[in-house]
Amino acid sequence: GAVVSQHPSRVICKSGTSVKIECRSLDFQATTMFWYRQFPKKSLMLMATSNEGSKATYEQGVEKDKFLINHASLTLSTLTVTSAHPEDSSFYICSARLGLTEITDTQYFGPGTRLTVL
Amino acid sequence: DQQVKQNSPSLSVQEGRISILNCDYTNSMFDYFLWYKKYPAEGPTFLISISSIKDKNEDGRFTVFLNKSAKHLSLHIVPSQPGDSAVYFCAANRGADGLTFGKGTHLIIQP
Repeated sequence: GAVVSQHPSRVICKSGTSVKIECRSLDFQATTMFWYRQFPKKSLMLMATSNEGSKATYEQGVEKDKFLINHASLTLSTLTVTSAHPEDSSFYICSARLGLTEITDTQYFGPGTRLTVL
Repeated sequence: DQQVKQNSPSLSVQEGRISILNCDYTNSMFDYFLWYKKYPAEGPTFLISISSIKDKNEDGRFTVFLNKSAKHLSLHIVPSQPGDSAVYFCAANRGADGLTFGKGTHLIIQP
C-alpha cells in the first residue's frame, strides 16, 4: 500500500517552454502533497505544500509564479514549471502524506521526474 | 542553517555486521522523525519512523533510537545485507509541515 506515482519520469524541453509534472497517490487519498527538488549530490529541498482545494504554500525563495501547483483532487497534484530555463534542470520529487496522527504521519514519495532544460 | 544534520557522508560496513547511521537536529519543535533509503534517480523509500514521545521503534532489521535531550537519533540495521547499500536520509517534521532532510549518508555494505 501507500504507492505514489509520478509522470513523466524524464522530460527534456527547450528553454522558454512549460512542463507539467503529475503526482498521484494510487491507493490512498492525500489531502496534502509536497513537492521537493534535489540538486546533484545535495539533499532534498522542500519547495511547496500542496493542499487539496486550496492554494499551495511555498517555501521561502521558491517563485510561486514559476512553479505552479494545482491539487485538484485527493489523489492528484500537478507541478507546472513555467518558462523553463536551464537552471530549472533538476530532479523533482513529490510526496503524499498518509494520515495525520503521531503514529501514521508518514510521507510516501513518488519515483521522481528528471527535468532537463536545453 | 541546517536543522537536520548527518555528519557522515559515507559509511562502510561488513556484511552481517551492524550498521549505525546517525542524525542530529537543532529544532526542538520537530515531533516526528523518519528514515528514508534512496537510490540515484529514484524517489526515497520510507523505512521507519519514530514519534517524539517515544525513544525506540523497531521493524524487522531496522531500529530507530531517539534521544530527545541530545537531539540525536540513529538508525540501526542488523544484520547488514548487500541490498542495504544506498543513501540513507534522516528527515524530521513538525505537525503538518513538510519534511526537513539531512544531506544523507551513503552506506556501503562490503561482502
